[in-house]
Amino acid sequence: DIQMTQTPSSMPASLGERVTISCRASQGISNYLNWYQQKPDGTIKPLIYYTSNLQSGVPSRFSGSGSGTDYSLTISSLEPEDFAMYYCQQYDSSPLTFGSGTKLEIK
Amino acid sequence: QIQLVQSGPELKKPGESVKISCKASGYTFTDYAMHWVKQAPGKGLKWMGWINTYTGKPTYADDFKGRFVFSLEASASTANLQISNLKNEDTATYFCARGLQWDYWGQGVMVTVSS
Repeated sequence: DIQMTQTPSSMPASLGERVTISCRASQGISNYLNWYQQKPDGTIKPLIYYTSNLQSGVPSRFSGSGSGTDYSLTISSLEPEDFAMYYCQQYDSSPLTFGSGTKLEIK
Repeated sequence: QIQLVQSGPELKKPGESVKISCKASGYTFTDYAMHWVKQAPGKGLKWMGWINTYTGKPTYADDFKGRFVFSLEASASTANLQISNLKNEDTATYFCARGLQWDYWGQGVMVTVSS
């Protein structure tokens, strides 16, 4: 199984700050990497697919990049609604696996 | 608009069964696979498997072989997840998600298993 190591597990940050969340796969995943946001009510919002493609309706302050085994999600300027949990997911090979999550908290 | 609407919360006893549904609307149901994802309380996301909505063929992750069944009511654009012989560790929220771009998710169904 491909292990997805997501860092950091939690991140205090301020409004307007630029933040980056990382995800490292235990083997190459050919850019088959998605990012999700989960709010405290449990709602999951897809943010990015195939490493760097924004899902419809997602603000442009979100961006994704990476290749091989290393991937990242960047939020260019934090808004109040961005404080949530974030997960990466690889879908290169079965079983599909998720990172353990990053909790973005208000500093 | 495209939606995945899941059934309501369930409270079950150990050994019972539960069937939860995921009704799709706003697109051709058979054009996209449906995936199922488990989230135990306070934990992360775990992929359970998927069902080919065109052929009905399910594929299960190893941890979900045996007591878990994915099925379809294609005429109703609905995917179902049935769990039999419920155990305490099945207490979780279960999500359905549209395949390919994983661009739409259901709201999740909380299943509580408690004696």
